[in-house]
Amino acid sequence: AQKVTQAQTEISVVEKEDVTLDCVYETRDTTYYLFWYKQPPSGELVFLIRRNSFDEQNEISGRYSWNFQKSTSSFNFTITASQVVDSAVYFCALSEAGTGNQFYFGTGTSLTVIP
Amino acid sequence: KAGVTQTPRYLIKTRGQQVTLSCSPISGHRSVSWYQQTPGQGLQFLFEYFSETQRNKGNFPGRFSGRQFSNSRSEMNVSTLELGDSALYLCASSLGTGWNLVDYTFGSGTRLTVV
Repeated sequence: AQKVTQAQTEISVVEKEDVTLDCVYETRDTTYYLFWYKQPPSGELVFLIRRNSFDEQNEISGRYSWNFQKSTSSFNFTITASQVVDSAVYFCALSEAGTGNQFYFGTGTSLTVIP
Repeated sequence: KAGVTQTPRYLIKTRGQQVTLSCSPISGHRSVSWYQQTPGQGLQFLFEYFSETQRNKGNFPGRFSGRQFSNSRSEMNVSTLELGDSALYLCASSLGTGWNLVDYTFGSGTRLTVV
């Protein structure tokens, strides 16, 4: 079974619009981390945000914010006032306490920001 | 501070051949993990090495193997290449294994094409 689901395959927005990327996860562990990564065409996975299972406080970091809800097993990521440089593939990932450094990735959401 | 370095950046091999990919972690990092990224299967965990020992292994055939040297550099080897092994191979390094993931950093990857 897929541990991390990103239902949105592709999203296009016009520059300066806000965009929310959805992520639903599945785990039996009570201790886990959730991540968002950005992958530009160069291929490198760039770390964006991380949240542990004990901290449901939602935060804002610059133009990025996230909404972590354990009740619905969701970890959504929002980019405010999108820019062309935000165009990339975004991955949600899960790391469980029982498997250490093994990440389970979603299938990714390709975001295109149109100028 | 140098990042995670993967060599070579691009590689073309013929079916049936074998290939070795290299990953040099960030200085001081002792854990190296490998991932395969394909359009069909997405990002999948291959294995993790810590202090020259394999700590965790994903669901891949025995043709995929790896090792880690005393300086923490890691290599992965794929024998008897198949067309389906064409992928972007990413490695990530961190200080430790388990829950020390604050510094988990990915390299730019090696793009392997099997013809």
